[in-house]
Amino acid sequence: IAGITQAPTSQILAAGRRMTLRCTQDMRHNAMYWYRQDLGLGLRLIHYSNTAGTTGKGEVPDGYSVSRANTDDFPLTLASAVPSQTSVYFCASRPRGGSTDTQYFGPGTRLTVL
Amino acid sequence: QKEVEQNSGPLSVPEGAIASLNCTYSDRVSQSFFWYRQYSGKSPELIMSIYSNGDKEDGRFTAQLNKASQYVSLLIRDSQPSDSATYLCAVNIRGGSQGNLIFGKGTKLSVKP
Repeated sequence: IAGITQAPTSQILAAGRRMTLRCTQDMRHNAMYWYRQDLGLGLRLIHYSNTAGTTGKGEVPDGYSVSRANTDDFPLTLASAVPSQTSVYFCASRPRGGSTDTQYFGPGTRLTVL
Repeated sequence: QKEVEQNSGPLSVPEGAIASLNCTYSDRVSQSFFWYRQYSGKSPELIMSIYSNGDKEDGRFTAQLNKASQYVSLLIRDSQPSDSATYLCAVNIRGGSQGNLIFGKGTKLSVKP
């Protein structure tokens, strides 16, 4: 593993189903983020975690939950998917120190909820 | 509501020309500013960061910051067709979690051969 990985790459999901998007980083970055990107709306922050064991809500948290049990993993769960959650989801991470606000992005997960 | 505004474009420039991308932000206390490039179907890739007023150059890219005017720009010199992408401006926010960024909706750049 090098950098940030996300799984699955894409998924088609029936409405009402539960889904977990996975994000793993091997850079020992402290902070991690989940964004969704929609045409015309840009990147919007769903949830974030500044360090293992803590999480916070972003701009559009409703319908999503996250956990941060360790430094490397930051899964995003949709408890009961709805069509409006059709989007491209990006995970990002930020190192401690240096340029402290710089975020690096994973390759994304394209999710379609029918 | 803290905001970051960009012209959506598309901005079309001929190969070899200078492309100028602009961004304004609403939070006067923002301290960190970023430009990301995003190719179609790909994830955002950091190309420049700037923290102080003035210009910062990196190869063909120059970021310009004017905090008094709440304005940040990206100049791409000698534009190439490979520069065709959407450019996202991002600004850190204060008053919330340190390190959180707000992104503009992006400007689509097209460099014509």
